[in-house]
Amino acid sequence: AQSVTQLGSHVSVSEGALVLLRCNYSSSVPPYLFWYVQYPNQGLQLLLKYTTGATLVKGINGFEAEFKKSETSFHLTKPSAHMSDAAEYFCAVSRLEDYGGSQGNLIFGKGTKLSVKP
Amino acid sequence: NAGVMQNPRHLVRRRGQEARLRCSPMKGHSHVYWYRQLPEEGLKFMVYLQKENIIDESGMPKERFSAEFPKEGPSILRIQQVVRGDSAAYFCASSPFEAYSNQPQHFGDGTRLSIL
Repeated sequence: AQSVTQLGSHVSVSEGALVLLRCNYSSSVPPYLFWYVQYPNQGLQLLLKYTTGATLVKGINGFEAEFKKSETSFHLTKPSAHMSDAAEYFCAVSRLEDYGGSQGNLIFGKGTKLSVKP
Repeated sequence: NAGVMQNPRHLVRRRGQEARLRCSPMKGHSHVYWYRQLPEEGLKFMVYLQKENIIDESGMPKERFSAEFPKEGPSILRIQQVVRGDSAAYFCASSPFEAYSNQPQHFGDGTRLSIL
């Protein structure tokens, strides 16, 4: 069975500081991994995804994530936080194994709320 | 290209009433997923549908909840005889028919259901 763990339900950084949001997964098959962002009272917006190939993935809004198989991690980073980055971030893994390779439902972590201080 | 449309955005029901949530997928998408988000929790999968078929309903409560995705019209998530514990945000996501396994799901803005 696949699962996702996000370390830290709340993270606070100063504007201009490094953002690091942690995500670890467990999966018996090569995972497809996603980061989504949710602003208040809105749906989820895809930040980036890892499927195959290059392990460093660049997404929108200056975010990137690195897939590290040996650490079963997919941490999200941004070199310099902006006030507009304040939101909740969700890491997710796709349940490939259940649908013979086609995308099944997503398994989400509990989310990390990012606060950015001026 | 319109995104995933959910309505209503907010829905208030009294205990015992029925709640009906609608989701229109993105144009060209025929795979629909419903998720529920409880306060301070991540999204939990409920059901996965294709046109006229339920593919996976392993996340659906056994009673009072049902979902459909007819040949014409939006997908509907129906909750009968609602209880306070049904209060949550319900999100719909869609993906393309010719879905490669790396295609991301696109989410709607959700329906926030409040039970009085």
